[in-house]
Amino acid sequence: DARVTQTPRHKVTEMGQEVTMRCQPILGHNTVFWYRQTMMQGLELLAYFRNRAPLDDSGMPKDRFSAEMPDATLATLKIQPSEPRDSAVYFCASGLVRGGSNEQFFGPGTRLTVL
Amino acid sequence: SQQGEEDPQALSIQEGENATMNCSYKTSINNLQWYRQNSGRGLVHLILIRSNEREKHSGRLRVTLDTSKKSSSLLITASRAADTASYFCATDGTGANSKLTFGKGITLSVRP
Repeated sequence: DARVTQTPRHKVTEMGQEVTMRCQPILGHNTVFWYRQTMMQGLELLAYFRNRAPLDDSGMPKDRFSAEMPDATLATLKIQPSEPRDSAVYFCASGLVRGGSNEQFFGPGTRLTVL
Repeated sequence: SQQGEEDPQALSIQEGENATMNCSYKTSINNLQWYRQNSGRGLVHLILIRSNEREKHSGRLRVTLDTSKKSSSLLITASRAADTASYFCATDGTGANSKLTFGKGITLSVRP
C-alpha cells in the first residue's frame, strides 16, 4: 500500500531554532508539494517540484524557508530561524501528473509548535 | 484568483440523511477535485471531475459540475457517522504548470 510518509509527526521547538521536515513521496510520482495548514489561513501551498525541479515557491517566506529534493525519494522543508507564527501542520503531497489527471496523495503531516 | 470556496462552512445532519456541499470558483479550470480530511490526518482524494464532464459517481458520492456557473456540488447519500470530516474542493487551472488551489473546507458532522 503506497503512501506518502513524513517525519517527524510532531515537533516542538523554541523560537530561533532550525526545523527540518522530511517527506518520502510515493515511488513513481513526479510531483511533490509542500502545504501549511492553519485554522486561520486554511491550506496554503508553499512550494512544489516536478521531476525534482522547483516549479513554484512563491507561497514560501524566502528569508527563512527553503525546500529541496536531494533525490527522488526525499523532499525536505527547512525553517531557519523558526518563529511562533510558523506553528502549523505541514503536509507533503505527491502526485503523478499525466493525461489531465493530477490527484494528490497527502502524507499524515508534521505538527509544528514553535514556542 | 481561482480559489474554490465551499458552502456551507459547516453542516450537521443525522445518519442516513444526504449531505450536499457546494463549491464555487472564479476562473477556467481543467478539472475540479474533492478531498476529505479526517481530524488529525492528511487529505484524501475522493473524486475528480473534468471540465467537459457534468456529473460523476463513485459509490455514495455524486459530483456535479456546472462550468457556466463555475460551481460544483458534492452529494453524499445515506450518510454515516464515519463520513464526519472536513471536505475540500480543489481547482486545477488551465496553465501549463497548474497547481491545485484548495478552498477553506466544509466541516460535516453526521450524528449517529
